Amino acid sequence: QQQVKQSPQSLIVQKGGISIINCAYENTAFDYFPWYQQFPGKGPALLIAIRPDVSEKKEGRFTISFNKSAKQFSLHIMDSQPGDSATYFCAAAKRGSTLGRLYFGRGTQLTVWP
Amino acid sequence: DTGVSQDPRHKITKRGQNVTFRCDPISEHNRLYWYRQTLGQGPEFLTYFQNEAQLEKSRLLSDRFSAERPKGSFSTLEIQRTEQGDSAMYLCASSLAISGSFGEQFFGPGTRLTVL
Repeated sequence: QQQVKQSPQSLIVQKGGISIINCAYENTAFDYFPWYQQFPGKGPALLIAIRPDVSEKKEGRFTISFNKSAKQFSLHIMDSQPGDSATYFCAAAKRGSTLGRLYFGRGTQLTVWP
Repeated sequence: DTGVSQDPRHKITKRGQNVTFRCDPISEHNRLYWYRQTLGQGPEFLTYFQNEAQLEKSRLLSDRFSAERPKGSFSTLEIQRTEQGDSAMYLCASSLAISGSFGEQFFGPGTRLTVL
């Protein structure tokens, strides 16, 4: 059972456009929502993360929007660049003293055309 | 380089053979995680350690899999009697967990296993 559902599976955006990737979760115990970027042959790299006490977090061109009541969160990449072409994974986790595992979505392959 | 390192980066083996992977976490990190990633999927949790204690194992971790972190530093993941279904990228991550919360997980480059 997929704990975190991610869409779309693939996304093609023109350079300068906005890329939007959506994720949804069911487990209300989740309270940490990171996004990872992965290039071919590399491990995932943490891009940006949010906790549910805020509805939005922005770091440079990357913004996470979080809707606690809908149990949804999304990644927005403004002014998308060809160098942003990668696979993006949303994830969720429960903070706490013993449970630190991340539950990942299935990923979105982003292609930014020049 | 002070990031998470994994060795080897690639491993090709024949079905039925045993393989062992090593992960060296970021030096001050007390938590170490193993994940498995198959093509087109997100990483799936296998197990994690806090210092040398293995605190959780996924049901994905069959009896053929064993992980250790003997001195709370590097970790090894061994797969016995490999099967073709074990072919995947094995990712290691580490974090600094402070009481009551856990830190961000930093991933290594992974070990790509191919079982022929």
